[in-house]
Amino acid sequence: GDSVTQMEGPVTLSEEAFLTINCTYTATGYPSLFWYVQYPGEGLQLLLKATKADDKGSNKGFEATYRKETTSFHLEKGSVQVSDSAVYFCALSEMDDKIIFGKGTRLHILP
Amino acid sequence: DAGVIQSPRHEVTEMGQEVTLRCKPISGHDYLFWYRQTMMRGLELLIYFNNNVPIDDSGMPEDRFSAKMPNASFSTLKIQPSEPRDSAVYFCASTRDDQPQHFGDGTRLSIL
Repeated sequence: GDSVTQMEGPVTLSEEAFLTINCTYTATGYPSLFWYVQYPGEGLQLLLKATKADDKGSNKGFEATYRKETTSFHLEKGSVQVSDSAVYFCALSEMDDKIIFGKGTRLHILP
Repeated sequence: DAGVIQSPRHEVTEMGQEVTLRCKPISGHDYLFWYRQTMMRGLELLIYFNNNVPIDDSGMPEDRFSAKMPNASFSTLKIQPSEPRDSAVYFCASTRDDQPQHFGDGTRLSIL
């Protein structure tokens, strides 16, 4: 079945550092790919998405490119802030509206 | 526009008691999802509804869990009897068409 694998955390970086969180997926068809973010005490929020190969999703300085050849959707940000501390989930969805989530990566940004 | 509303935010109860979690989806959304989040297992889909009809309940852990959606604006997830291993954060999410899922803030459930 479909699955998502993302790097385990926690990831700890200093403010203004470059961020990469790796995500790879397995799917039978051509899924849409997502990154969700969860701040403490809150539900998940959509951060960005891409619906087809080579699409780049971007939001709040975060980017991720849908790479079909490597089945990857890595999350990047050039300069992280303390306010980016949260748990990040990579996810995919095929035609049935279900979303399959990775296990999440906790990110800590130190001032 | 109000988001997905879940109640209660926190629930602490003793093993064996019945627990009922509630969710009000965003108006106009025709899909509703129930998830469970734990440190060990991450985020698990329990069940989802389309137009108030359960579509896939394969994630419901066992017969102690049940979910209903009597109308488009209300859903419940019930655990009876509850056990300590049911302790988790339970999320409800809703969506429509090709929109992303919108999550509530969750119910943190502790079974003693």
